[in-house]
Formats: sequence, structure tokens, C-alpha cells
Amino acid sequence: NAGVTQTPKFQVLKTGQSMTLQCAQDMNHNSMYWYRQDPGMGLRLIYYSASEGTTDKGEVPNGYNVSRLNKREFSLRLESAAPSQTSVYFCASAIYNSPLHFGNGTRLTVT
Amino acid sequence: QKEVEQDPGPLSVPEGAIVSLNCTYSNSAFQYFMWYRQYSRKGPELLMYTYSSGNKEDGRFTAQVDKSSKYISLFIRDSQPSDSATYLCAMSGSYGSSNTGKLIFGQGTTLQVKP
Repeated sequence: NAGVTQTPKFQVLKTGQSMTLQCAQDMNHNSMYWYRQDPGMGLRLIYYSASEGTTDKGEVPNGYNVSRLNKREFSLRLESAAPSQTSVYFCASAIYNSPLHFGNGTRLTVT
Repeated sequence: QKEVEQDPGPLSVPEGAIVSLNCTYSNSAFQYFMWYRQYSRKGPELLMYTYSSGNKEDGRFTAQVDKSSKYISLFIRDSQPSDSATYLCAMSGSYGSSNTGKLIFGQGTTLQVKP
């Protein structure tokens, strides 16, 4: 029972490089989310997808794009990475009226 | 001012102690309150979930919500070294399908339980 799987686990980028963080869930959940976690800031919502085919901005969407590829997969793209995007990124999923299930995160460093 | 405030700690207690973790919030629209536990280098996992004011107990864990004071607490009885983790409070104003998961988190409190 894999739950929410995130790849890669670690990544180092140079300023200006691009990359895509991948997330897949096998629980048949309809909603998926991307959060970032920074020291002293808790978790902040970047983007979410309430259902397949829809995406919406969260609290901190600038510098990111997302794609809900299908019901299982929700990717987060950094087009031109900046040092301020150094963070731990968590993907989560949920079904109607159920709590979030989180993946184990991608640790991203932008130099 | 953050919508949700949580003392980051760290908090260190001896095994067997009662632990009290707290969050305050400013948005009176919050109705759903959660506590997540996060072990080092892992994702948060849901520990407790409550709706509106009141208490909820699950084993050694008790969650309390006081909406009049905009204050929530998590109590851990007979704390164990395995309880050593970061505890995050989270809350939201609604729990419909499109709002599920749009949570506001506290900063997290790091707890260490010493044997």
C-alpha cells in the first residue's frame, strides 16, 4: 500500500534551472495538493486540484505551475528556480470530507 | 500577524510526563481543527481531528477546542520516547470537496521525550 509517492526525494538546482516534481497516489482520491514547508513558517499551500481537470492557486503560487495529469498524478513545475524556492515540498491527497494523506516530501535546494 | 500561532519549542520532557501543546488563531471562521504528527524526514500524519468546540480523546491523546478563546490544545498522557516528533496544528473554515485540504498550519512544535 504505497499511498502518496513523491519523486525525487532530493534535488539540487542552480538558479534559473527548471524541474518538475512528481506526485502519484493510489488511493483513488479526487483532490490533490502541493504544500511547501519552511522553518518557522509551517506548511503553506501552493496549488491544489479539487478534481481531475481542475487546478487552483493556493497561498503561495508565484513561481510555480501544476498539471493534474490524471486522477492519480499531480505534478509541480518550477520554470526558473530561485534560491527562495529552497524548501521541502509535500504532496497530499484526500477524498471528499476525509483528512489529508501526505507523501514523504522532496527536499529541494536552489543555489 | 499569522492566522495561526504555535510555539515552536523545542519542548523536552521526561518519559511518562503529560505534554500540553497549544495553538491560537485569529480567524473565527475556522471550524475544523486537526493535529498532525511529523517524524524527522517524513510527511505529516493525521493524529486527531475535531469539529467545532469540545474535547476528543483517542488513547493517550486528547484534543480540546475552545472557539470562544480561539485556542486549541493537544494533551499527551504517559508520553513515550516514540512520541518525539514535530506536532503541527491545522485548521480550516469548511470541509466541502473543494475546500478539503486547504488547511492553515501552525509552525509546529518539536517535542523530545527523554527515556
